[in-house]
Amino acid sequence: AQSVAQPEDQVNVAEGNPLTVKCTYSVSGNPYLFWYVQYPNRGLQFLLKYITGDNLVKGSYGFEAEFNKSQTSFHLKKPSALVSDSALYFCAVRDRSYGGATNKLIFGTGTLLAVQP
Amino acid sequence: ETGVTQTPRHLVMGMTNKKSLKCEQHLGHNAMYWYKQSAKKPLELMFVYNFKEQTENNSVPSRFSPECPNSSHLFLHLHTLQPEDSALYLCASSREGGPGNTIYFGEGSWLTVV
Repeated sequence: AQSVAQPEDQVNVAEGNPLTVKCTYSVSGNPYLFWYVQYPNRGLQFLLKYITGDNLVKGSYGFEAEFNKSQTSFHLKKPSALVSDSALYFCAVRDRSYGGATNKLIFGTGTLLAVQP
Repeated sequence: ETGVTQTPRHLVMGMTNKKSLKCEQHLGHNAMYWYKQSAKKPLELMFVYNFKEQTENNSVPSRFSPECPNSSHLFLHLHTLQPEDSALYLCASSREGGPGNTIYFGEGSWLTVV
């Protein structure tokens, strides 16, 4: 079965420090991977995605993610955290068993990032 | 401004009421989705429409009834809901086809069933 796991419910980091939010996946074949962010009382905002090519993907708000095929991971990173980065982060993988033309995603359970001033 | 607009943002309804959630996308997409987000649960895909045709119904109870009159609009009709249906309902859209097309979400409609 295809799945995505976010092993940490919460990540705490001090402002100015680097942050990492972890994601591992399980799919057959090549994965299509996504990161979304959800601020309080808001919808999900797209941050970045990996389809193919360079393993380091750059996205919005200074975030980047590193695709590691051997470790089946797609960790989200930022060199210097801001208090305003505090939010809920979701990793998602495209369901490759879905043969339709649409883009069905499987989401992780989310990781709450708390950046302390 | 996400390009996907949902109304109302908040809705309180009784278990015998009938109400509807509305979604409109301004991105020129052809696929639209309803997701349910409950506390401490992964996002649940409810319905998928592609070019106005329903292509996915993820075993959703019949008290939720979707409608997609065109590629830009999506409704979720609600009737005789249960308190456990209280959740954030997210509408989303994407281009059709292509394995890596990004799904864009609206701000959500908070539903409380009393």
